[in-house]
Parts: sequence; C-alpha cells; structure tokens
Amino acid sequence: GQQLNQSPQSMFIQEGEDVSMNCTSSSIFNTWLWYKQDPGEGPVLLIALYKAGELTSNGRLTAQFGITRKDSFLNISASIPSDVGIYFCAGQLATNAGKSTFGDGTTLTVKP
Amino acid sequence: DAGVIQSPRHEVTEMGQEVTLRCKLISGHNSLFWYRQTMMRGLELLIYFNNNVPIDDSGMPEDRFSAKMPNASFSTLKIQPSEPRDSAVYFCASSRHRGPSGNTIYFGEGSWLTVV
Repeated sequence: GQQLNQSPQSMFIQEGEDVSMNCTSSSIFNTWLWYKQDPGEGPVLLIALYKAGELTSNGRLTAQFGITRKDSFLNISASIPSDVGIYFCAGQLATNAGKSTFGDGTTLTVKP
Repeated sequence: DAGVIQSPRHEVTEMGQEVTLRCKLISGHNSLFWYRQTMMRGLELLIYFNNNVPIDDSGMPEDRFSAKMPNASFSTLKIQPSEPRDSAVYFCASSRHRGPSGNTIYFGEGSWLTVV
C-alpha cells in the first residue's frame, strides 16, 4: 500500500527555536492532514490542506501542500514547552474514498 | 459538540478472553475508522466503514478481530480470543465523508488494551 516518509523521526530543540518537519510520498495525494498527539491522548487535527500549493497557518503553525502533491511540510515558529508531542502527517488519495495513510510521526522535545 | 467517544479507556484482560471496544461517532459523521497504535508499528488502519458499510477491512490482523456498526452512530471492535500481542492503543475516528478527498478525520481518546 501507499507509504508516507515522515522526517525527522525525532527532534530535540530549545524553547524559542523554529521547527520544520515534512512528509513525502511516491503517490499523489489530494488531501494532506497534520495531527498532534499528546501523551495518553488521541491525535488532534492541526491543519488540513486541500489544494496543491496551499499554504495555511494556525497560530504559530504553518503547513504547505507541495506543488507536486507528493509532499507537505509543517513549521512551528517560536516553540514552547507545550509543543512537545508526536506530530503525524496523513494523506488521502482520490481513489481511496476517504481513507488516510499516516506517517510514522515526528517526536518533538522542547527544552525550556 | 461532543467528540468521538470511546470506551473503555483502559482495559486489562487475560489471554483468551473476549474484548469489546466501543465507539460513538460525532453527530452527523458517516465514516468510521478503527486504528491500532503500537510503538513498533505506529498507527495502523484496521477497518473503515462508510454509511455503515465496511469499505476496507484489509488491515484487520486476523479472524480473531471483528468490527460492526449496528447503527449509524455506534461501532464495536471485538477481539476473541485475545492474545498478548494484541496489547495496543485502539483509536476510533470519524469523519463526514465528502467524496474522494477532503475528509477530515477526528479521533477519540483511545482504548488502552493490555492482554496478560
């Protein structure tokens, strides 16, 4: 089946630094979703992208849908300790009737 | 609006016992997904339904696993008999199906299963 390559696998950064993570796929996706999972909780939707080239912000978070439709990135500016968690990307193919493929996640640690 | 509601939140059971996990969809949603999350395998899609009909169950590990939607707002995932390797977090998620794409999925808080 389709696979997403999410990188980096983990990040250790200092509070205040900017963060960038991305997902790439060999397949073209029609939708990209970014989620954050806190310990002991389910993934929570951060940003949804529906068009190639789309750039969307949600507070300190910015995500882009790659022009090729095979990649997406998520940036976090001025990180704070509560940004700690696992970030997942997910893509949807037009042919899969709403089924999403998830990346393996990026674990973010923010040092105060 | 209430989110996706899962129960139980935590369950510890002995090998060989039947386990039933429950999920209530967000009102108005018509697609239902069951995921399993482990350290080794990450998030795996087990099965998903659209309008109560199973669309893709290729992720169901084996015949010990079964899922049903007895009505439009409720689903169960059963494991019978359970085995220690079934220990994982099981997430239910729902969406309002808009077509081939653009379906934003909302997750429940998960059912943490430990089989000893």
